[in-house]
Amino acid sequence: EVRLLESGGGLVQPGGSLRLTCEASGFSFRTYVMNWVRQAPGKGLEWVSSISGGGDDTNFADSVQGRFTISRDNSKNKLYLQMNSLRVEDTAVYYCARPVWDFYGDHPFDFWGQGTLVAVSS
Amino acid sequence: IVLTQSPGTLSLSPGERAILSCRASQSLSDDSLAWYQQKPGQAPRLLIYAASYRATGIPDRFSGSGSGTNFALTISRLEAEDFAVYYCQQYGGSPPYTFGQGTKLELK
Repeated sequence: EVRLLESGGGLVQPGGSLRLTCEASGFSFRTYVMNWVRQAPGKGLEWVSSISGGGDDTNFADSVQGRFTISRDNSKNKLYLQMNSLRVEDTAVYYCARPVWDFYGDHPFDFWGQGTLVAVSS
Repeated sequence: IVLTQSPGTLSLSPGERAILSCRASQSLSDDSLAWYQQKPGQAPRLLIYAASYRATGIPDRFSGSGSGTNFALTISRLEAEDFAVYYCQQYGGSPPYTFGQGTKLELK
């Protein structure tokens, strides 16, 4: 059974940092691109970042470029999102999401974690 | 690529047919358009990919159509469990993989 479990959310002051973790199980983690998607309270979905299976190719939304980094440890089946210089507008539930297929190309997301809440406030 | 969903809210009764629209600001390569359903407190659930293919386990009352810049999600006969928020997403080409702003399907 595919499972994705996020952790690391919490309350942080503006300008602060936080690292989110997504622990994956039930599939060959190292072969899949992985993504982070966020949802501000009462708002829609926003794709945040993606990382290739080997970790050598990363992409970011303009809204987080230069402040967030994405990484993975395939030996531990873990995905990370390091968030620096946090802003009030980064407040959201952060989901990790896996695409339907692991072969080359862009695919929709068929498995999602339950999300972890990040609240940026003074 | 910007995705615009309409209507913002759709009020219908069980048994009725729902048609949700998603328009892209430019043509999507390979009709790379997905639809998701999200209920309160839950993660999104993939319904449709490549504009018209149902994801695993999705009932056949859900169908997707369209190509290029205009897409639709149709729910043929609404059931109580279908009342939720629906998002379209484009995933073609390369990131960013943008989402529409969502359509809330509410009970009339």
